[in-house]
Amino acid sequence: GQNIDQPTEMTATEGAIVQINCTYQTSGFNGLFWYQQHAGEAPTFLSYNVLDGLEEKGRFSSFLSRSKGYSYLLLKELQMKDSASYLCAVLDSNYQLIWGAGTKLIIKP
Amino acid sequence: DVKVTQSSRYLVKRTGEKVFLECVQDMDHENMFWYRQDPGLGLRLIYFSYDVKMKEKGDIPEGYSVSREKKERFSLILESASTNQTSMYLCASSLVSGTGGDFSNQPQHFGDGTRLSIL
Repeated sequence: GQNIDQPTEMTATEGAIVQINCTYQTSGFNGLFWYQQHAGEAPTFLSYNVLDGLEEKGRFSSFLSRSKGYSYLLLKELQMKDSASYLCAVLDSNYQLIWGAGTKLIIKP
Repeated sequence: DVKVTQSSRYLVKRTGEKVFLECVQDMDHENMFWYRQDPGLGLRLIYFSYDVKMKEKGDIPEGYSVSREKKERFSLILESASTNQTSMYLCASSLVSGTGGDFSNQPQHFGDGTRLSIL
């Protein structure tokens, strides 16, 4: 079956760096998305990776290793507003999005 | 900015009622999706549509139907609501990139969700 694994919850300190991991087993691969979802709000698009390597967007970076079925989202200089759930999703061979359950990130002062 | 609007943020209905959830997007996107989101589970796809009057079943279509009469509007219908359909319902839309046929690698844009309670 198809499977996306992420940690359920992580805690980090304001100003620090945190890495949220995502491992996947899917039938085919056409890219991996990261979304941010604040409590009670809509998920919003953060990044899309289809090639191996690191993509940087300001304080957020996303890494992909297709051979390992692995991605991570790196958040630097953490701010209180980064407290949210982070959702990993993979596009399979049929271009269907397979979603992880999300990682709830708690930022402490 | 893309705007996806869901008709209600909160809705309370009774078991057996027919329930309509409406979703409108303003960016002329071809693809539209309905998901439900439950604690501890990933987003689960109920139905999607890649064109007017077209619909495809997702992973959990049982007990639901959809309607897409206009490109901008995608409706989710609970034919006879049951308590196990209490959930957060999210609508999304996306462009077709042209590289994946009807389904694309373009990001999905979500509405704020409807928290539906069935009593």
